[in-house]
Amino acid sequence: AQTVTQSQPEMSVQEAETVTLSCTYDTSESNYYLFWYKQPPSRQMILVIRQEAYKQQNATENRFSVNFQKAAKSFSLKISDSQLGDTAMYFCAFLPPLAYSGGGADGLTFGKGTHLIIQP
Amino acid sequence: DAMVIQNPRYQVTQFGKPVTLSCSQTLNHNVMYWYQQKSSQAPKLLFHYYDKDFNNEADTPDNFQSRRPNTSFCFLDIRSPGLGDAAMYLCATSRDEIGQAYEQYFGPGTRLTVT
Repeated sequence: AQTVTQSQPEMSVQEAETVTLSCTYDTSESNYYLFWYKQPPSRQMILVIRQEAYKQQNATENRFSVNFQKAAKSFSLKISDSQLGDTAMYFCAFLPPLAYSGGGADGLTFGKGTHLIIQP
Repeated sequence: DAMVIQNPRYQVTQFGKPVTLSCSQTLNHNVMYWYQQKSSQAPKLLFHYYDKDFNNEADTPDNFQSRRPNTSFCFLDIRSPGLGDAAMYLCATSRDEIGQAYEQYFGPGTRLTVT
């Protein structure tokens, strides 16, 4: 079974600053997928960014980028030019690929989350 | 817009009184998931349907059941809710193919209160 660890329960930065959220994981799988999800207060969880483990290039989505270190099993999220709307819980999540037909896709294994507060 | 819809958004039930939460999706995804998220915790997978195949997590209590009558709808039944079942229940969907894994799309959740 895999585990996901987010060691920062809460972080607070000023608007327009850059912030990095850390995530480490443990797995015996060689191929897998990693995600960062954002859950704003009282709003639904949405995908921020996705990384396939077999890709060496770090994923980027506008102001969001990751630093994926497969050997170290580390998957940090960097938010540049932070905005007030970035205030949310951020969850790092792990997902293995579907192994066989009808076998059932696995659910996401989430870390405990980091509460990010962007101060005006 | 294609989406995941959960009804109701807020549900209050009495201790021991059966309750059903519903989820529908217009994404035509073949996999549907139910997660339980307690306050200030990460979501925890309860079970999921891969097409019509039901997959229960080993530690999901028997008190929790699910039905998926068709591709679009999935229900979570709690047969005898206890105070410890008060939580946000999240429905998610994904499109899965062998050897691949795709992101899951979440509904807004149903917040269950047990009195």
